[in-house]
Amino acid sequence: QKEVEQDPGPLSVPEGAIVSLNCTYSNSAFQYFMWYRQYSRKGPELLMYTYSSGNKEDGRFTAQVDKSSKYISLFIRDSQPSDSATYLCASTRGSNYKLTFGKGTLLTVNP
Amino acid sequence: EAGVVQSPRYKIIEKKQPVAFWCNPISGHNTLYWYRQNLGQGPELLIRYENEEAVDDSQLPKDRFSAERLKGVDSTLKIQPAELGDSAVYLCASSLDGGVNTGELFFGEGSRLTVL
Repeated sequence: QKEVEQDPGPLSVPEGAIVSLNCTYSNSAFQYFMWYRQYSRKGPELLMYTYSSGNKEDGRFTAQVDKSSKYISLFIRDSQPSDSATYLCASTRGSNYKLTFGKGTLLTVNP
Repeated sequence: EAGVVQSPRYKIIEKKQPVAFWCNPISGHNTLYWYRQNLGQGPELLIRYENEEAVDDSQLPKDRFSAERLKGVDSTLKIQPAELGDSAVYLCASSLDGGVNTGELFFGEGSRLTVL
């Protein structure tokens, strides 16, 4: 079993839809949780960063972590065609430990 | 500010040939990472440097892969000899102090390797 599991999709939604992306993880020691966005033929870029459980909001994006169920979520409101990309969840125990990525979910937002 | 620069962007080689990838991290970033991303997968860490010291190379296949970070700045990743299964995107990333405060790794655009 991989430490971070993510449904690879693909996911296709109409413009303006609310998108929900999810991951699960197995390592109880994970404390830091991130969402990276990767456009085609580009490197990943950090979208959201959360420490421990709770919610974090940044514009149209909300990251949610539930450590009791080991569940990581990213919500995108009012999705735009420019949001079309692969979304990677990632977790780590801390800065001296490696960052473990999920497989990524390919999202397409149709105009 | 310039981002992480990688070269070459694309490389096609025959199996058993050597190949090298170069990375120039963001100025001032002391932590440098090499990741490998297979098609349809997330990046997987190959090696992490703190300045010029390799602090985590447990995932690096040392029989054919080698890496170095000259003077704690640029880095080179080498594969010799390449195998068909090495076809992937090799991503270099850098961060300040291992991304302690923000968890942010800055990635380059990657070097896409095809082994025939």
